[in-house]
Amino acid sequence: GENVEQHPSTLSVQEGDSAVIKCTYSDSASNYFPWYKQELGKGPQLIIDIRSNVGEKKDQRIAVTLNKTAKHFSLHITETQPEDSAVYFCAASRVDSNYQLIWGAGTKLIIKP
Amino acid sequence: KAGVTQTPRYLIKTRGQQVTLSCSPISGHRSVSWYQQTPGQGLQFLFEYFSETQRNKGNFPGRFSGRQFSNSRSEMNVSTLELGDSALYLCASSRTSPPGQGPQSTIYFGEGSWLTVV
Repeated sequence: GENVEQHPSTLSVQEGDSAVIKCTYSDSASNYFPWYKQELGKGPQLIIDIRSNVGEKKDQRIAVTLNKTAKHFSLHITETQPEDSAVYFCAASRVDSNYQLIWGAGTKLIIKP
Repeated sequence: KAGVTQTPRYLIKTRGQQVTLSCSPISGHRSVSWYQQTPGQGLQFLFEYFSETQRNKGNFPGRFSGRQFSNSRSEMNVSTLELGDSALYLCASSRTSPPGQGPQSTIYFGEGSWLTVV
């Protein structure tokens, strides 16, 4: 079945530097890839998503890129700030299961002052 | 606009007991999904309801069950609790289903119910 691998599990970057989190999916028919941010004590919140007919999408300091051939997509955060510290989850829709989202294991992003 | 509301936020139960968790979706949302989150296990999908019908189900034992009412509010029940059921249980709602079919299908999470089984 569909599987989503997310790396790294923990990422520590200096404030102001960029952070990149990568996810790989197995179902070539997956067509929707959201990224969620979960702050401590809160539920995950959608920060950006991309569909398979688009290669890149940007929203201020956040961008997502999709490589359908290699079946991976990445979250890029530029000019990181302390409030970016959180756990980030990627997901991919599973076409053969009514588009159920399959989730990555999460990446804990730590922004060092 | 009120978000997804989950109750109770925290609870402690004894092994062997049962528990019922409640979720009120965002007004106008008809799809409700439930997830279990444990450290190191990420988000594990339990089930999804749309217009009172279960549309998808994850790989959890039959002790985990759910339902959705005509007003889209949902409950999940865990019977015969085990220590390993200790987790954060998250509810998510969307206006339509399935996900990825446009902005109307974006899922929004509640803050979760923390269950501790002792």
